[in-house]
Amino acid sequence: SAVISQKPSRDICQRGTSLTIQCQVDSQVTMMFWYRQQPGQSLTLIATANQGSEATYESGFVIDKFPISRPNLTFSTLTVSNMSPEDSSIYLCSVHLFDREGYGYTFGSGTRLTVV
Amino acid sequence: EDKVVQSPLSLVVHEGDTVTLNCSYEVTNFRSLLWYKQEKKAPTFLFMLTSSGIEKKSGRLSSILDKKELFSILNITATQTGDSAIYLCAVEEAGNNRKLIWGLGTSLAVNP
Repeated sequence: SAVISQKPSRDICQRGTSLTIQCQVDSQVTMMFWYRQQPGQSLTLIATANQGSEATYESGFVIDKFPISRPNLTFSTLTVSNMSPEDSSIYLCSVHLFDREGYGYTFGSGTRLTVV
Repeated sequence: EDKVVQSPLSLVVHEGDTVTLNCSYEVTNFRSLLWYKQEKKAPTFLFMLTSSGIEKKSGRLSSILDKKELFSILNITATQTGDSAIYLCAVEEAGNNRKLIWGLGTSLAVNP
């Protein structure tokens, strides 16, 4: 299965600022997924990032707030812009690749964001 | 609206107990059902199920899917304290984007 390096692991940010989260994959993948998990909630898909095209955002998420870059098949960034305390969450990137058991989605180690 | 419902939401057991976690779904375009274990931040993949009645097994964990009744169960036998985690169920939609629809998870605590 793929190995995803996600940075930063955690951060505490002031409201109104922006944070960029990076994910590096050790394999080339077509689609990368960005999720948010608010406290006590399940995972919510923010957007799907395809290399060479604009990201596809889910309902309730917009590019101005969560701009995504996907410059190549192994790397993507998600920026959380103009942050407010409501953006405090765990942010996760994910890819899906075939492995011995069929295939499954692999997640990065996650970024725990606290906005104060 | 598509949804995935897990039960129970939380569970406390003693080491050695056997637990059964449930996941029911209503998803229009079903492709597969996946189980994950989340201990800290990142969920780790456990099983992917696509066919009814075929049990998937990994050590003390096993899972099976019923596509007629639209549910799956995850069994953990001889539980250990290291099994304490949130267990997440997700259904993958068919289609190009392969979107995952997530349940809220079952929080399992295994006491010594």
